[in-house]
This record gives sequence, C-alpha cells and structure tokens, in this order.
Amino acid sequence: SQTIHQWPATLVQPVGSPLSLECTVEGTSNPNLYWYRQAAGRGLQLLFYSVGIGQISSEVPQNLSASRPQDRQFILSSKKLLLSDSGFYLCAWSVQGQGLNGYTFGSGTRLTVV
Amino acid sequence: QQPVQSPQAVILREGEDAVINCSSSKALYSVHWYRQKHGEAPVFLMILLKGGEQKGHEKISASFNEKKQQSSLYLTASQLSYSGTYFCGTLYNFNKFYFGSGTKLNVKP
Repeated sequence: SQTIHQWPATLVQPVGSPLSLECTVEGTSNPNLYWYRQAAGRGLQLLFYSVGIGQISSEVPQNLSASRPQDRQFILSSKKLLLSDSGFYLCAWSVQGQGLNGYTFGSGTRLTVV
Repeated sequence: QQPVQSPQAVILREGEDAVINCSSSKALYSVHWYRQKHGEAPVFLMILLKGGEQKGHEKISASFNEKKQQSSLYLTASQLSYSGTYFCGTLYNFNKFYFGSGTKLNVKP
C-alpha cells in the first residue's frame, strides 16, 4: 500500500532563518506531488506541484522554493523565512492524470515563524 | 480561481441533515470532496467524474451538475464524527488541483 511521510511535525523558526521540509512517498512510482499551505482557520493554498523529477511548477510568487531530486521525494525550502510564512504545510500525492484515487496528504508540518 | 463553497459554516444537532454547495466560474471536469478534522490533514471522501453522477459514502453523498458547474455534498442524519471542515476540489488544468474555500461543520449532541 502507498504511504506518505512528512517531517518534521512541528517547527518553530526565527525570522530570516532557512527552511527545509521533506516529503516522501512509498509504494507507488511517478506520482504527482504537491505542497499546500493552510493559514489558521483558512483554506488550502496550492504552492507547488510536480509531475516528475526536476519538474516543478510554482503557483504563488514568494520566498519559497521546491525541488524533486528523486521520483518520490519532494522538498520545500526557503533561504530566509518571513513571519507570513507561518502556517500548516501539507504535502500530497496523486496518481498521474485526474487523480482518480483522490489526493492523499501527509500529516503536515505546523510552522511558526517568530 | 478556487471553487466557492457555501455556506461557510453550519451548526447541526445530531440526526439533522445538511447540504454543502461548491460552485466554479470555470468548467468542472471532476469534483473531489474532502473532510479535515481540526489539526489534521484532509481526508479524501469521493470523486465525481461525470455530470449527473451521484455517489455515496456512509450517509454522505454528493452530486455533480456539470452544466451548472456545481457540486453538492449531502450529509444525512449527521453524527458527531461528521464535524470538521469540508472542502471540494477540482482540476482546472491537467495537474493544478485547487481546493474550495471550505465549509466548517459543527455537529452538537
């Protein structure tokens, strides 16, 4: 069966510090991978998506970046965090195409920038 | 660009019914529904692929009106466990998946 791992679960970082969040998927190959951010009490904002190794599409101009160094690994990074980067970050995967099996999310990383 | 959901929030007593609507300004080719419990990740409920399609999941069902670019989620005889935030979602192009604005459902004893 397929599983998705995301870490860390919680992170408190000072303004201006770097960020690296990692997501890995097991039990499938060539998945579509996504990063979403959710502000407190708000909806899910699409940040990045990837359809293959090295292929990253960005949705929102910001100080975040994403990389996909391996087929089942997706990394979210920042060189310098802002207060506005605080939120609940969720990685998700789907099968290629229309996502007929739905989108499966990792357990999320709660990031607080102080 | 994201789908719009209504209502934004619903408060129910156990056993009552609710309807959550999802509408889009762009053509919908498929609609997903998810439920998110507080502090947790969203969980996939169902996908509707065709106009007129209806599906059920326990006492939760959904319909998809492709022409009206709308989908509705029906919660029947609600239980305490149904509490959470419900999101619809759709693909606007082949790989960009957008979630709706969300509807917060609170079921009380």
